[in-house]
Amino acid sequence: DAKTTQPNSMESNEEEPVHLPCNHSTISGTDYIHWYRQLPSQGPEYVIHGLTSNVNNRMASLAIAEDRKSSTLILHRATLRDAAVYYCILIGRGGATNKLIFGTGTLLAVQP
Amino acid sequence: NAGVTQTPKFQVLKTGQSMTLQCAQDMNHEYMSWYRQDPGMGLRLIHYSVGAGITDQGEVPNGYNVSRSTTEDFPLRLLSAAPSQTSVYFCASSYSPGRGTEAFFGQGTRLTVV
Repeated sequence: DAKTTQPNSMESNEEEPVHLPCNHSTISGTDYIHWYRQLPSQGPEYVIHGLTSNVNNRMASLAIAEDRKSSTLILHRATLRDAAVYYCILIGRGGATNKLIFGTGTLLAVQP
Repeated sequence: NAGVTQTPKFQVLKTGQSMTLQCAQDMNHEYMSWYRQDPGMGLRLIHYSVGAGITDQGEVPNGYNVSRSTTEDFPLRLLSAAPSQTSVYFCASSYSPGRGTEAFFGQGTRLTVV
C-alpha cells in the first residue's frame, strides 16, 4: 500500500497561512490524494482531494508536486477552529487500495 | 438529509456481553465502513462494505461482525465484549473512495467495556 509521511505536529498563529506537508513517494498513477481533519471530540471531516492538478475549495487549497511524490495542504488564514489533526491519505482504484486508511496525521495548534 | 447517523452515542457494557452499534446513511452511498479510535490514536478500519450483501475485513476485524442487507444500514456487532474493545467507533459512508469522492462520518459511539 502507498504510504504517507507527515510531521507529527505543527504550530501556527491565528490569521496566518499554514502549509501542511505530506510525502508520498510510492504513490501510483491512479491514487487520489485526500485530506481529512478531525476536530477535538468529533468525527473526521473531508477537507479536499486531488489527483494531479492543484485544487481549491472554500476550506483550503491543495498543491500537488509535479512528480506527485508530495503535496501540501494550505489553509490561507488559520483560525482557532482549524486546530485539529490533519490526515493525508492516498486512495487507489483497485480493490485492495480502494479504502480510506488513516495514518497518525499532523496535530495543528493555532495560537491566538 | 441526515447524513450518517450512529446510535447509541454512549454505551457501557460488561465483559462478555454482546451488542450492535447501528449506522445508517440516507445518501444512497454504496461504500460504508467502521473504524475504531483509541485514546490519542488515529482511526483504524474494522470492516467495510462496497454494497449491499458485500463486506470485507479491514485492519482490525477480530471480535467484530458486520452484515449489509440494505444500502442504508451497516450495523457492527460485538459478539462478546472485551475491555480491549473500549474505544470510540465511527461509521463512514461514501460513493466509491477510489473515484475520488468524499467520505462522511458519523459523530461516533463511545463504548466502554468494564
